[in-house]
Amino acid sequence: ETGVTQTPRHLVMGMTNKKSLKCEQHLGHNAMYWYKQSAKKPLELMFVYSLEERVENNSVPSRFSPECPNSSHLFLHLHTLQPEDSALYLCASSQETANTEAFFGQGTRLTVV
Amino acid sequence: AQSVTQLDSQVPVFEEAPVELRCNYSSSVSVYLFWYVQYPNQGLQLLLKYLSGSTLVKGINGFEAEFNKSQTSFHLRKPSVHISDTAEYFCAVRTNSGYSTLTFGKGTMLLVSP
Repeated sequence: ETGVTQTPRHLVMGMTNKKSLKCEQHLGHNAMYWYKQSAKKPLELMFVYSLEERVENNSVPSRFSPECPNSSHLFLHLHTLQPEDSALYLCASSQETANTEAFFGQGTRLTVV
Repeated sequence: AQSVTQLDSQVPVFEEAPVELRCNYSSSVSVYLFWYVQYPNQGLQLLLKYLSGSTLVKGINGFEAEFNKSQTSFHLRKPSVHISDTAEYFCAVRTNSGYSTLTFGKGTMLLVSP
């Protein structure tokens, strides 16, 4: 149990579907992150929320839409995805201060067909 | 901006042998350093971290790492590996000035065979 829970663990969706990934943390952290992990590629930081405000968006396509309704929850809304979006999507949380590590969820394995 | 280099994408080793996974970083300011491990189909788990003080840091599962400021390195070591150590290992840095996020290396796959 890492303190960061992601659902679902696996998701298969068609290119015309709309789905959402959910992340929940009970660690009292004030920053949350979405990462994309594709085969043979380094971890890509997609979005950062600090104190429920989006502070970083690393040129992610608009078919990915994040939402952070409170400091404990983070969503990633997906629509009209492409097969190359298939990947492991990892959520993480941390305190905003630099001398702290991030805690990761177990990820959602997304397959776009 | 900071960056992390893990030169070895894959390191094969026999069980009970020692191992070193290399990590070098680049940053114009001081950094905090981390090693994470990822088992198949799992998230990342913190192995150890260097924040300040002693340059030799001990972590979980018998791993340790040494911070070398002059060589900008933070290599991970274990004196005797087990089959269960087979996993991907990520080095990461976070600057200690202003707003910063973790920057990860590309990862090193440690393959332990009997």
